Amino acid sequence: DIQMTQSPSSVSASVGDRVTITCRASQGISRWLAWYQQKPGKAPKLLIYAASDLQSGVPSRFSGSGSGTDFTLTISSLQPEDFATYYCQQGISFPITFGQGTRLEIK
Amino acid sequence: QLQLQESGPGLVKPSETLSLTCTVSGGSISSSSYNWGWIRQSPGKGLEWIGNIFHSGSTSYNPSLKSRVTISVDTSKNRFSLKVSSVTAADTAVYYCVRHYGSGFDYWGQGVLVTVSS
Repeated sequence: DIQMTQSPSSVSASVGDRVTITCRASQGISRWLAWYQQKPGKAPKLLIYAASDLQSGVPSRFSGSGSGTDFTLTISSLQPEDFATYYCQQGISFPITFGQGTRLEIK
Repeated sequence: QLQLQESGPGLVKPSETLSLTCTVSGGSISSSSYNWGWIRQSPGKGLEWIGNIFHSGSTSYNPSLKSRVTISVDTSKNRFSLKVSSVTAADTAVYYCVRHYGSGFDYWGQGVLVTVSS
């Protein structure tokens, strides 16, 4: 199985800050990576697919980059509605696996 | 707008079989462009992929659950189903049905909490 490791596990930030979350795969996954946002009591929401493609309807302050084993999700200017948990997920091989999540909290 | 809705018992006894159905509306489950699957999330934990059913009808399951899981599709009713046999408390989770497209899961049901308890 491909292991996905996110860092940090949690981060505190303020509205307007720039935040970067990283995700590392245990082996190369090309650009077969997706990012999700999950708010309490809600289903995850797809933000980014194919490492850097923005899902329709997702604000442009979200961006993704990387290929191979190292990936990043960046939020350029945090908004109040962005405080949530973020997950990465590899889709190159089965079993599909997720990172453990990064909790983004208000400072 | 595509919508997915899970349904099924919220309480299952240990050793019994968990059965859930996902009804798809606003689009055809038979489209060759998409695959369908199930993901679960134990309370306070991360996301675990359970398995997929492909437009061909073939399936792929997480090895951690493989011997206990069956995913099937009913195209006439535009829905697909999940069965997990011999459940234990470790199977207590919110279960999501999803559409799989490319590298990610672009549509999710709202999720249903299934508790395993006697």
